[in-house]
Amino acid sequence: DAKTTQPPSMDCAEGRAANLPCNHSTISGNEYVYWYRQIHSQGPQYIIHGLKNNETNEMASLIITEDRKSSTLILPHATLRDTAVYYCIGPLIQGAQKLVFGQGTRLTINP
Amino acid sequence: DGGITQSPKYLFRKEGQNVTLSCEQNLNHDAMYWYRQDPGQGLRLIYYSQIVNDFQKGDIAEGYSVSREKKESFPLTVTSAQKNPTAFYLCASSVSKVLVSEQYFGPGTRLTVT
Repeated sequence: DAKTTQPPSMDCAEGRAANLPCNHSTISGNEYVYWYRQIHSQGPQYIIHGLKNNETNEMASLIITEDRKSSTLILPHATLRDTAVYYCIGPLIQGAQKLVFGQGTRLTINP
Repeated sequence: DGGITQSPKYLFRKEGQNVTLSCEQNLNHDAMYWYRQDPGQGLRLIYYSQIVNDFQKGDIAEGYSVSREKKESFPLTVTSAQKNPTAFYLCASSVSKVLVSEQYFGPGTRLTVT
């Protein structure tokens, strides 16, 4: 079973920042949080992952709270192509044998 | 270009027939995975393989079988014992079992059994 909690759906206006929350209250010190997204009828795509520090790459930023029990994925300037289901996955230790996908957040970017 | 290929994209079969889904990767990844996705649901792990000639059951292995004779290939057979085989099937790979969480997915095969 998934050990993360996400809202089932969110909307965001094109060009604005999309902030997707995730709760992972059972996380422990050596466990990571990963984010993937799935555009309709395609395979999921890795976005970013983090342990305790905030992370940024070309796709997104990941903000992790100080107690590490929740995180927020930020798409800084959302485009229509960012419409997808976003999965927060974890907590996971390095060497974890499998990903557990919950139902994710369906993000709709509106023009 | 490096990547994962799955074929075919759409597959139709009659009930009672076995069917094999293809998954090939040229990323030189050690680990490969098969997931199943039903409409509106997340992915569920069927089987995974960390190394050639070895594989483990995932959460929903009943009615499925796999083989890993080559590093590049991890075919999935959906047998007639699978009670509800119609679904979207996704194959993935990762560099190694240490970095298993960064998985690269193929485009998927949508199987319809009638």
